[in-house]
Amino acid sequence: GENVEQHPSTLSVQEGDSAVIKCTYSDSASNYFPWYKQELGKRPQLIIDIRSNVGEKKDQRIAVTLNKTAKHFSLHITETQPEDSAVYFCAARYNTDKLIFGTGTRLQVFP
Amino acid sequence: DGGITQSPKYLFRKEGQNVTLSCEQNLNHDAMYWYRQDPGQGLRLIYYSQIVNDFQKGDIAEGYSVSREKKESFPLTVTSAQKNPTAFYLCASSATSEYGYTFGSGTRLTVV
Repeated sequence: GENVEQHPSTLSVQEGDSAVIKCTYSDSASNYFPWYKQELGKRPQLIIDIRSNVGEKKDQRIAVTLNKTAKHFSLHITETQPEDSAVYFCAARYNTDKLIFGTGTRLQVFP
Repeated sequence: DGGITQSPKYLFRKEGQNVTLSCEQNLNHDAMYWYRQDPGQGLRLIYYSQIVNDFQKGDIAEGYSVSREKKESFPLTVTSAQKNPTAFYLCASSATSEYGYTFGSGTRLTVV
C-alpha cells in the first residue's frame, strides 16, 4: 500500500553542522516528493521539492536527493542555524493526486 | 494565509455536539484536502476532493463529513461519532497541473 517512512524521528545538531533526514516510499509510480517545515503551532510550509526525473535539487543551504532505484529521498541542510529548528515532513505524491506524509523529524539546532 | 483561510483558529466542542470547520481558498485550485495532526505525530488524511461535488475518504474518515458545493470551499464537520476529536486540523489545496500543497493556518479543536 501507500506508505512513506521517515527517519530519524528526532535529530539534534550543533549550529553550523549539517543535518540529513531520510525517507523511503513504497510505490515506484510516485513522481513528486516535497519537503515541508512546520514550526510549533504553525502550518507546514513547502521548503523544497523534487520530481522523479531529477536526481538532485539545491536551494541555498537546502538540498534534496532522490534515488528512484532504491525508492528513497533525503533532505540535506548545511550550515544549520537555530531558526532551522522545527519539524520536517517528507511526502510522496501518488497517482490519485494526494500526498502521503512521513511521520516527521523534529530537528533541534543548538547554538 | 497565502490564499487559503481556515476558521476559526480555536474551537471548543462539547460532548455530543457537531462542529464545522471552515476552509476557503482563492487560489483557483481544483483539489482540496483535510488533514488531522495530533501532538508529536504526522499528518493523517481525513477527506479530499479533486472536483466540485465529489470527494473521497482518506485514512481516518470515520466520524467526519465534508461537502464540496463550491470550488473555493471545503468545510469539514466533526460529528458526535468522532470520539476523540481533540487535534490540530489542517486544510490544504493544490492545482491539478502542479504538485505542491498550500496549507491553511489550521484550526485547533478541543473537547470540553
